[in-house]
Amino acid sequence: EAGVAQSPRYKIIEKRQSVAFWCNPISGHATLYWYQQILGQGPKLLIQFQNNGVVDDSQLPKDRFSAERLKGVDSTLKIQPAKLEDSAVYLCASSPWEGTNYGYTFGSGTRLTVV
Amino acid sequence: DAKTTQPNSMESNEEEPVHLPCNHSTISGTDYIHWYRQLPSQGPEYVIHGLTSNVNNRMASLAIAEDRKSSTLILHRATLRDAAVYYCILRDVGSNQFYFGTGTSLTVIP
Repeated sequence: EAGVAQSPRYKIIEKRQSVAFWCNPISGHATLYWYQQILGQGPKLLIQFQNNGVVDDSQLPKDRFSAERLKGVDSTLKIQPAKLEDSAVYLCASSPWEGTNYGYTFGSGTRLTVV
Repeated sequence: DAKTTQPNSMESNEEEPVHLPCNHSTISGTDYIHWYRQLPSQGPEYVIHGLTSNVNNRMASLAIAEDRKSSTLILHRATLRDAAVYYCILRDVGSNQFYFGTGTSLTVIP
């Protein structure tokens, strides 16, 4: 089975610019997650989708971050405007459905550098 | 949010067993224990998980204490490809979310 696809792999932008990341989960996986991983730290959950609805976005800085999963399949995470502290790896993960004990499958991530 | 405690780093000689400990004293009765590992420049990958009984798979074994307040991931023969950060995570089935700590960075010495 194909894994979780993410693009781009790397992105360098200047502060105050905008950027978007794309994720295509494993086919049939209803739940999709975006995580932020700052260098030297574990991943931090930003937002969780169940199909095309948001389950939890309590850790998402909504003044500058937004995410959508319009058709319940692929998803986009946007940052506008970017700050220096947004430099991190942005990971997308998916799992079959909520309320189960299935594990997550992660993509390879997008490494963002804000200069 | 992280509910587990792990050593920051460990070392092992190649082809020797490795025991990676994890404390989770506040675990609830329905929390599953999951282990993931993250190789350099990659996303985390699933290793193993369990609830109460010890578990084995092709990658590793998971030993869970009787009171479930701690667990140990066992790599039976460490290889250089096992060098990674290992995360012990409690799975909140109700919210279906993982909360990562800082993990244990495993160094394998040739």
